[in-house]
Amino acid sequence: DAGVTQSPTHLIKTRGQHVTLRCSPISGHKSVSWYQQVLGQGPQFIFQYYEKEERGRGNFPDRFSARQFPNYSSELNVNALLLGDSALYLCASSGTGDNQPQHFGDGTRLSIL
Amino acid sequence: GIQVEQSPPDLILQEGANSTLRCNFSDSVNNLQWFHQNPWGQLINLFYIPSGTKQNGRLSATTVATERYSLLYISSSQTTDSGVYFCAVDFNKFYFGSGTKLNVKP
Repeated sequence: DAGVTQSPTHLIKTRGQHVTLRCSPISGHKSVSWYQQVLGQGPQFIFQYYEKEERGRGNFPDRFSARQFPNYSSELNVNALLLGDSALYLCASSGTGDNQPQHFGDGTRLSIL
Repeated sequence: GIQVEQSPPDLILQEGANSTLRCNFSDSVNNLQWFHQNPWGQLINLFYIPSGTKQNGRLSATTVATERYSLLYISSSQTTDSGVYFCAVDFNKFYFGSGTKLNVKP
């Protein structure tokens, strides 16, 4: 079975632009979460979606938004990009039920010039 | 919010040595996972261990939920064990520690 897949793998943008990152969960997983990992730190929680509804939001500005589609794939959108948005963006999926383990994709490495 | 502290922050080992990594957390949690992040950034699941002890080959983990800590044991370390080890706890949302950076020298 395929794991969590993310696209693109790398992306270069300039300040002020907009970016969309995509994630496909493991088949059968209905929950998708997004994380930002800047160099030298642990991943920081951005959003969780379950059954197309937002279940949780981390401490990120409104420039960050996300959605989940009927097939449980998800998009993370970031507007008005800043240099500080340069990071590895990770997507994780988890199965149905409480307290399920998270399975991570390989991430999208976003560089802002 | 919940605090997740990992120690040591950095660790250098000779190949074949054993090590113990620690994760302390500040509140009762629903879930705890250990991950290995390799030099290419991939986060690999090691253990899902909200409580108790689990073993997988040279790795084992123990979580004592009542005392709010977890330990990851690496025995007979290999150069491929190098990378960053993270613990993450689920307290309504997922919180990661800052990691232990392990360098295993041949």
